[in-house]
Amino acid sequence: QLLLQESGPGLVKSSETLSLTCGVSGGSITTFDFQWGWIRQPPGKGLEWIGSMFHTGTTSFKSSLRSRVRMSADTSRNTFSLRLMSVTANDTAVYFCARQTYDWGPGAYFDAWGQGILVIVSS
Amino acid sequence: SYELTQPPSVSVSPGQTATITCSGDALARKYVFWYQQVSGQAPVLLIYVDSRRPPGTPYRFSGSRSGTVATLTIDGAQVEDEADYYCLSSDSSAQRLFGAGTKLTVL
Repeated sequence: QLLLQESGPGLVKSSETLSLTCGVSGGSITTFDFQWGWIRQPPGKGLEWIGSMFHTGTTSFKSSLRSRVRMSADTSRNTFSLRLMSVTANDTAVYFCARQTYDWGPGAYFDAWGQGILVIVSS
Repeated sequence: SYELTQPPSVSVSPGQTATITCSGDALARKYVFWYQQVSGQAPVLLIYVDSRRPPGTPYRFSGSRSGTVATLTIDGAQVEDEADYYCLSSDSSAQRLFGAGTKLTVL
C-alpha cells in the first residue's frame, strides 16, 4: 500500500521560504507512470493545486504561483519536496502531497494522498 | 483562465437523491474526477474518468459528464455522506483545476 507523509516546519515567518518534504513508502517515485504533486487548502476554504513533477525534475506549476514555487525530488530517499518563497499570511494552509496519475491528454487525478500538514505563516 | 463552478451547498433528507454539479469550459475536452472530503481529513477519490468508481466507492455514488457540465449523483444519500465534495479537471495546458467545493448536508 502506497503511503505518503508530509514533514516540515508548521510555522514560517512572513517573507521567508516554506519548505516541505513528502516521504513515499510502499512504492518508488522513480516511475514515469505517475507524477508527484502538492495541493493546499487554506483554513475553511477549498483545494488548490500547487504543482506536480516527475522524479526526473520535470515540473508544472499553477500559473499564479509559478514565480514563487520550486519542486525537487530525492530518488535516493524516495522523497519529493516543495519550496514556496516569499510567503504571506495568504499561504497559511494545510499542505497535502499526493500521487498523480499520468496525463496522456484528457486529464489526470490524485489517487493517493498524505494526511496533510498545517503550515501557518506568522508576521 | 479556466474555472470549475460548483454550488456552495446542497441539502437533502436521508434517502433522497443528492445532485452536485461542476461546470466549466475545460470539461468539454477533459475528464472530471470527484473527491469526498470529511472535515479534517485528506480528500478521498470517489469517481474517476467521469463515471468510474474505484474500489471502495459505494454504488449509490455515480458520475456523468455532458458538454461543459459534470454531475455527481448520490442515490439514497445517507447521513455518513455529509462532507465536502470537489470536482477536479484540467485545462488545455495541463494545469489541474479544482472546483470550489460543495458542502453536502444530509438531515
